Amino acid sequence: GENVEQHPSTLSVQEGDSAVIKCTYSDSASNYFPWYKQELGKRPQLIIDIRSNVGEKKDQRIAVTLNKTAKHFSLHITETQPEDSAVYFCAASMNGNQFYFGTGTSLTVIP
Amino acid sequence: EAGVVQSPRYKIIEKKQPVAFWCNPISGHNTLYWYRQNLGQGPELLIRYENEEAVDDSQLPKDRFSAERLKGVDSTLKIQPAELGDSAVYLCASSLGLGVTDTQYFGPGTRLTVL
Repeated sequence: GENVEQHPSTLSVQEGDSAVIKCTYSDSASNYFPWYKQELGKRPQLIIDIRSNVGEKKDQRIAVTLNKTAKHFSLHITETQPEDSAVYFCAASMNGNQFYFGTGTSLTVIP
Repeated sequence: EAGVVQSPRYKIIEKKQPVAFWCNPISGHNTLYWYRQNLGQGPELLIRYENEEAVDDSQLPKDRFSAERLKGVDSTLKIQPAELGDSAVYLCASSLGLGVTDTQYFGPGTRLTVL
């Protein structure tokens, strides 16, 4: 089955700096890669996703890049704000069926 | 549009007791997922339904866990008997069931504590 690895497990950045979280996957058949933000005690919320026919996608301060050859994808948050502090999970899926999640990155934005 | 609804939000039981969780997916969503999330970990799939059919239950510990989605809408996940290691957050999620363009939406979860 699919194996998703996520790094780093914790990340601290100064407010205004950028944050980058990286994930790798093992199954080349995976074609859908969502990113979720989970605040303490709350549900995972989809923040951005990318499909295998696209190399990059951007939504305001958030962007995701996908390298299908290397089987890795990354989340980029620019101009970080304290409210960006949360746990971020990447996931990989084939055709929107079973989703395999990474182990999460705890992001802390220091004011 | 109402999101995925789960109840109860919290449950504390003693080991060997039974427990049940309920999920109401977003209206019109054909695919329903049950996940278990341990502290500091990502969600792990327990079972996935396409309408009322369980199409992937390979990660469900069938000796003590059961699930049903009788009319293809609401779903119930049961544990009997519960063990200490079952303490976790149980998340329900749903999606339209259209394939590649599917987006998965999570419910708030049920935090289970087994004493």
